[in-house]
Amino acid sequence: EAGVTQSPTHLIKTRGQQATLRCSPISGHTSVYWYQQALGLGLQFLLWYDEGEERNRGNFPPRFSGRQFPNYSSELNVNALELEDSALYLCASSFARSTDTQYFGPGTRLTVL
Amino acid sequence: GENVEQHPSTLSVQEGDSAVIKCTYSDSASNYFPWYKQELGKRPQLIIDIRSNVGEKKDQRIAVTLNKTAKHFSLHITETQPEDSAVYFCAARSPSNEKLTFGTGTRLTIIP
Repeated sequence: EAGVTQSPTHLIKTRGQQATLRCSPISGHTSVYWYQQALGLGLQFLLWYDEGEERNRGNFPPRFSGRQFPNYSSELNVNALELEDSALYLCASSFARSTDTQYFGPGTRLTVL
Repeated sequence: GENVEQHPSTLSVQEGDSAVIKCTYSDSASNYFPWYKQELGKRPQLIIDIRSNVGEKKDQRIAVTLNKTAKHFSLHITETQPEDSAVYFCAARSPSNEKLTFGTGTRLTIIP
């Protein structure tokens, strides 16, 4: 069974630009979660999508947004990039919103110059 | 919202000895507590989890205990091996918002 996949592996942008990160959940999983992991820090919850709808979002500004597609894959968009947005962005998926176990993807390393 | 505190932030243990990492949570309604291991440059991997209706769970060298009254849970690793070296994260799930809140992580180093 294939795990959660993310693309790209690395992304380099400059301040003010926009970044788009992609995530494909495990087959059969309908929930997708996005986390930010800044260097040396823990995992900060960004967004949760389930069945195509945004169910919850963390304490991040509106320039962090995303969507979930009919095939349950997801996209995270970060507008007006700032230097402090540099981090590892992790996607996780779970079978259903009522099932708790989250499985993580390998992450996208975003560097903002 | 839920708040999870994790201690210690770093832990060095002699190979073969035991390691214990502790977490406390704030929302008494939280009902699910997973532990993740993240090796350098890799994704977090679930190593064990426990639900609020269970006090202890064990899987080979790894065990987790939950004290709902005190609102804390702990990870125990026995007979530690060099491959146990990693950052470990605890988390708690609050049913009010159905999201996982993670602790700040513990960097465990096993000394050969």
